[in-house]
Amino acid sequence: GAVVSQHPSRVICKSGTSVKIECRSLDFQATTMFWYRQFPKQSLMLMATSNEGSKATYEQGVEKDKFLINHASLTLSTLTVTSAHPEDSSFYICSATRGYGNTIYFGEGSWLTVV
Amino acid sequence: AQRVTQPEKLLSVFKGAPVELKCNYSYSGSPELFWYVQYSRQRLQLLLRHISRESIKGFTADLNKGETSFHLKKPFAQEEDSAMYYCALKGSGGYNKLIFGAGTRLAVHP
Repeated sequence: GAVVSQHPSRVICKSGTSVKIECRSLDFQATTMFWYRQFPKQSLMLMATSNEGSKATYEQGVEKDKFLINHASLTLSTLTVTSAHPEDSSFYICSATRGYGNTIYFGEGSWLTVV
Repeated sequence: AQRVTQPEKLLSVFKGAPVELKCNYSYSGSPELFWYVQYSRQRLQLLLRHISRESIKGFTADLNKGETSFHLKKPFAQEEDSAMYYCALKGSGGYNKLIFGAGTRLAVHP
């Protein structure tokens, strides 16, 4: 099956700094990528939908200025957590698809800890 | 509102016992539902989708529109089935976005 890779898998950053997480589709062109957030023992919450070459569509309640999403190419989307705070600590997961109706593939997730 | 409910956080069974992981949904229109599985230390992966009407690893799930349910079943659980199972609904608005339930951890004991 197709592979989606996230980097880094774990990151620790200081409060007030920004951190970037990458999501790559390794063997297919992903027209759409999704970013999820998962708190411990809770479900995946969709943060935003990212289409290549256009602005991301954020879910209600997600601060677009805090969680910057860029989908500059068909194989890469990035999530930047700006001015991170401890409450931003979470597991962030991306997924990617070739297009509507196609299978969605998930990355392995990235643990963010803000200290 | 679009919502997926998985009422059980943990389902613990013995090997060979039948398994049913419950999933209920709320959606106006024709729903498209999925089951995803996450084995220990692995990424989320698609187990099955209702439109395929398939059986994967012995698991089946039938969409019941009257009861708005999409329960996952397996007649004889195996230890290797132990994992986290998520029911998901394809949301409206295009783009394939998925709305997940809270997940149920299945523990199959020898």
